[in-house]
Amino acid sequence: EVQVVESGGGLVQPGGSLRLSCAASGFSFGSFWMTWVRQAPGKGLEWVANISPDGSEKYFVDSVKGRFTITRDNAKNSLFLQMNSLRAEDTAMYYCARDHSYWGQGTLVSVSS
Amino acid sequence: QAVVTQEPSLTVSPGGTVTLTCASSTGAVTTASSPNWIQQKPGQPPRALIFSASNRYSWTPARFSGSLLGGKAALTLSGAQPEDEAEYYCLLLDSGAQAWVFGGGTKLTVL
Repeated sequence: EVQVVESGGGLVQPGGSLRLSCAASGFSFGSFWMTWVRQAPGKGLEWVANISPDGSEKYFVDSVKGRFTITRDNAKNSLFLQMNSLRAEDTAMYYCARDHSYWGQGTLVSVSS
Repeated sequence: QAVVTQEPSLTVSPGGTVTLTCASSTGAVTTASSPNWIQQKPGQPPRALIFSASNRYSWTPARFSGSLLGGKAALTLSGAQPEDEAEYYCLLLDSGAQAWVFGGGTKLTVL
């Protein structure tokens, strides 16, 4: 069974950093693009970033460029999102997805003083 | 990056048919945009329904179908069920920006 499970969310002050993780199982992790999507409270979905199977290609939404980094460890079937210089508008549920097909339950990030 | 536009809300009667559409500010939606349709019910994570414009996943009910229609991506629901009441999001590839973009979502009411 394909599963992706996010972790690492929490409350952080503006300007702070947080690292999200996504543990994958049930498929050949190193063969698939992986994606992060977020959803602010009461709002729609926003595509954040994705990374190619070998990690050589990475793409970001304009609003997080220069602040967020996406990486993966294929040996550990894990995806990461390093979030720096966090702002209040980054407050959201963050979802990990295998390409855009299998989605996790999400991890909540709150940026507030 | 592109702006993707969907109907904010639609209503369909039980057993009825409804079509949701998805337009891009960069021009006609084509297979190169690789349209995806995602369903989300309140309090639940998103669930993928359609990829590459018209392909269903193994779990997607046959009453959902995707197509390209008049320069837009379209999701047609034929024989609406009460459990189809949800928010539906279109997701397109903006190849110029090398990024994917969600539409604002369509809130579908089955009533």
